[in-house]
Amino acid sequence: EAGVTQSPTHLIKTRGQQATLRCSPISGHTSVYWYQQALGLGLQFLLWYDEGEERNRGNFPPRFSGRQFPNYSSELNVNALELEDSALYLCASSLAGQSVPRGYEQYFGPGTRLTVT
Amino acid sequence: AQTVTQSQPEMSVQEAETVTLSCTYDTSESNYYLFWYKQPPSRQMILVIRQEAYKQQNATENRFSVNFQKAAKSFSLKISDSQLGDTAMYFCAFTPTDSWGKLQFGAGTQVVVTP
Repeated sequence: EAGVTQSPTHLIKTRGQQATLRCSPISGHTSVYWYQQALGLGLQFLLWYDEGEERNRGNFPPRFSGRQFPNYSSELNVNALELEDSALYLCASSLAGQSVPRGYEQYFGPGTRLTVT
Repeated sequence: AQTVTQSQPEMSVQEAETVTLSCTYDTSESNYYLFWYKQPPSRQMILVIRQEAYKQQNATENRFSVNFQKAAKSFSLKISDSQLGDTAMYFCAFTPTDSWGKLQFGAGTQVVVTP
């Protein structure tokens, strides 16, 4: 069974530009989560999508946005990039619903390293 | 607000020995899930072990086991028979059942296994 995949592996942008990161969940998983792992700040929750809807959002400005497609893959968009947006962006997926056994377990992809210069 | 605290930034252990990582959390929730994730140098986060708060029995996965003390809000991870491949950053994480979906992570403990 294929795991969570993310693309691209690395992304280099200049300040003020927009970045688009992509994630494909494990087959059968309908929830997708995004986390930011910045140096010195640890892992911070960004966004949660389920069945195409945004379910929860972390403490990030509106220039961080995303969407989930009908095939459950997801995109994270970061507008007006700032130097402090440089980080590893991790995507995770899970089964949906608390009634599903272990539906709460999140499985992570390898991440996209975003560098803003 | 929920917080997860890992007080040990780094721990070193020799191969075949045992190491215990500590994690404490603060929550007013009664039902929640706790996890330990491992992040090796490849940066791929790997789920090591999970514990449902309503279960009193401590979870075990091969060489990994937890000591879950709900009253003390403590969730430590024991790695037995340490192997070189266990070298990684270990994160404790928490999510409440009624607002699950947002994992709250601790700062992590770097485990270095030496020959």
